[in-house]
Amino acid sequence: QVQLVESGGGLVKPGESLRLSCAASGSTLSGFHMNWIRQAPGKGLEWLSYISGTRDYIMYAESVRGRFTISRDNAKNSLFLELNSLRAEDTAVYYCARAVGCSATSCSKGFVYWGQGILVTVSS
Amino acid sequence: DIQMTQSPSSLSASIGDRVTITCRASQSITSYLNWYQLKPGKAPKLLIYASFTLQSGVPSRFSGSGSGTDFTLTINNLQPDDFSTYYCQQSYNFPWTFGQGTKVEIK
Repeated sequence: QVQLVESGGGLVKPGESLRLSCAASGSTLSGFHMNWIRQAPGKGLEWLSYISGTRDYIMYAESVRGRFTISRDNAKNSLFLELNSLRAEDTAVYYCARAVGCSATSCSKGFVYWGQGILVTVSS
Repeated sequence: DIQMTQSPSSLSASIGDRVTITCRASQSITSYLNWYQLKPGKAPKLLIYASFTLQSGVPSRFSGSGSGTDFTLTINNLQPDDFSTYYCQQSYNFPWTFGQGTKVEIK
């Protein structure tokens, strides 16, 4: 059973940074296509970023491009999201999720495995 | 970007009812359409992928259909555990996008 567990969330001030981690158990992350997705309070789901299994393909949503950086350490079986220049509108629950059946720009199975999410609050 | 428009945004239904949620893409996404169930405090759950394929372990009362731009999620014989929020999502092209969500409430 694949389990994903996010950590690193918390309360930060506008302009500050945070690093989220996603640890996998029950399966290796190596070779799998990983994503970060968030849900702001009272809002819907928003896909943020994707990293391919071999790290040679990375994509971002326009709302976070240039401020957020996705990375992975396959040896540590972990996924990361560096959040910089945080704004109040970045307040959300952040999920890591593994996509399945992916080619260059599409995934036939969507997000099969999700973590429980971690709350990031940006407030002065 | 591909816009996903879900309707209705909310609905009230009773146990045993049949519920239908629609999702429309702003351009063709062939069959790259997935449906998720969200409950507060829990990991989102993939219900259906590739428009109509039931994810392993998901009850057969859930079904999906559609291709191109118009898709439907149907829940037959609504059960207490099904009162939740549902999202469609296109995985055809980046940026991957979600619908606005449909909250299914008890009548």
